[in-house]
Amino acid sequence: DAGVTQSPTHLIKTRGQQVTLRCSPKSGHDTVSWYQQALGQGPQFIFQYYEEEERQRGNFPDRFSGHQFPNYSSELNVNALLLGDSALYLCASSFFGGSGANVLTFGAGSRLTVL
Amino acid sequence: GQSLEQPSEVTAVEGAIVQINCTYQTSGFYGLSWYQQHDGGAPTFLSYNALDGLEETGRFSSFLSRSDSYGYLLLQELQMKDSASYFCAVRDGGSNYQLIWGAGTKLIIKP
Repeated sequence: DAGVTQSPTHLIKTRGQQVTLRCSPKSGHDTVSWYQQALGQGPQFIFQYYEEEERQRGNFPDRFSGHQFPNYSSELNVNALLLGDSALYLCASSFFGGSGANVLTFGAGSRLTVL
Repeated sequence: GQSLEQPSEVTAVEGAIVQINCTYQTSGFYGLSWYQQHDGGAPTFLSYNALDGLEETGRFSSFLSRSDSYGYLLLQELQMKDSASYFCAVRDGGSNYQLIWGAGTKLIIKP
């Protein structure tokens, strides 16, 4: 049973560029959440997708956008990259509703470096 | 605002018991979770407490006191593989039920 898969694992971009990160949730999960984790810090919630709609959003600018597809996979897009966007981007999947919503399964992350 | 406080680092000896504390301040509380993250790895779910008391899962236990806005993770019979960062996270009803995370506690285990 495959867990959460993310791609790419590492990428380097320059300021002003745009990036797209991809996530496939764990089998049986229908909800995808995206987190940004800076070195030595806890994950910061970006947004959550369920039924192809953004359900919750953290304190991130509109440069951060996402999408969920009918097969529950998701993309995170970041426009106009800043140096401060350098971080590990984590995707977490869960089952919406009930106690399943409280158990997140994380992917290994995409490490983004902005030069 | 919301905040979670946990120690930045804890050191313990292999075979011993260690407790990692977490105090929180949120406008609405819907449960306290704990996650483990090894260096370079993904966070993995350890436990979830919605009600007061102790939840035990093998060598790990988690405790919650909602009246004190406090919880802890207890790790027994420490093994070298338990060396990792441990995060507490609270589901905050005042923030549309977002999961708010602490900064993490780095657990260092010495032989």
